[in-house]
Amino acid sequence: DAGVTQSPTHLIKTRGQQVTLRCSPISGHKSVSWYQQVLGQGPQFIFQYYEKEERGRGNFPDRFSARQFPNYSSELNVNALLLGDSALYLCASNLAGTSGIGEQFFGPGTRLTVL
Amino acid sequence: RKEVEQDPGPFNVPEGATVAFNCTYSNSASQSFFWYRQDCRKEPKLLMSVYSSGNEDGRFTAQLNRASQYISLLIRDSKLSDSATYLCVVSSNSGYALNFGKGTSLLVTP
Repeated sequence: DAGVTQSPTHLIKTRGQQVTLRCSPISGHKSVSWYQQVLGQGPQFIFQYYEKEERGRGNFPDRFSARQFPNYSSELNVNALLLGDSALYLCASNLAGTSGIGEQFFGPGTRLTVL
Repeated sequence: RKEVEQDPGPFNVPEGATVAFNCTYSNSASQSFFWYRQDCRKEPKLLMSVYSSGNEDGRFTAQLNRASQYISLLIRDSKLSDSATYLCVVSSNSGYALNFGKGTSLLVTP
């Protein structure tokens, strides 16, 4: 079975630009979460979506937005990029129902570099 | 204060050694606890869940002390392939997010 897939794998942008990252969850998983991992740090929670609705948001500015599609895939958008947005962006999916977190399965990530 | 605190290491140990990692968490309402493993430039992968009763998976033993808000991971008979970063992870208040520690780096040497 295919795991969580993310695209693109690498991306280079300049300050002020906008970026869209994509994620496809494991088949049958309805929940998708996004995390940002800066070098030397643990992943930091950005969003969780379940059945196309936002269920949780981390401490990130409004420049960060996301959505989930009917097929449960998801996009993360970041506007007005800053140098500090350079990081590995991880998508995770799980079987979580209406409550609880369950085991998260992570994709390989998108490495974003902002110049 | 950070939600999850870990000693970043690095821990350099010889093959066959026993090594222990600890972490503390600040949110007493957290319900789920995990250890994830992350290899260099790869995604995190679940190593094991952590329960109050303690649990063991082969050479790995995890313990949770809710009263002290403390989680531990013990690795016995270390292998070269155990070299990685070990992330202590605690669920958020809402249960919808995971809070990760910075990770503890382990290097097992021949």
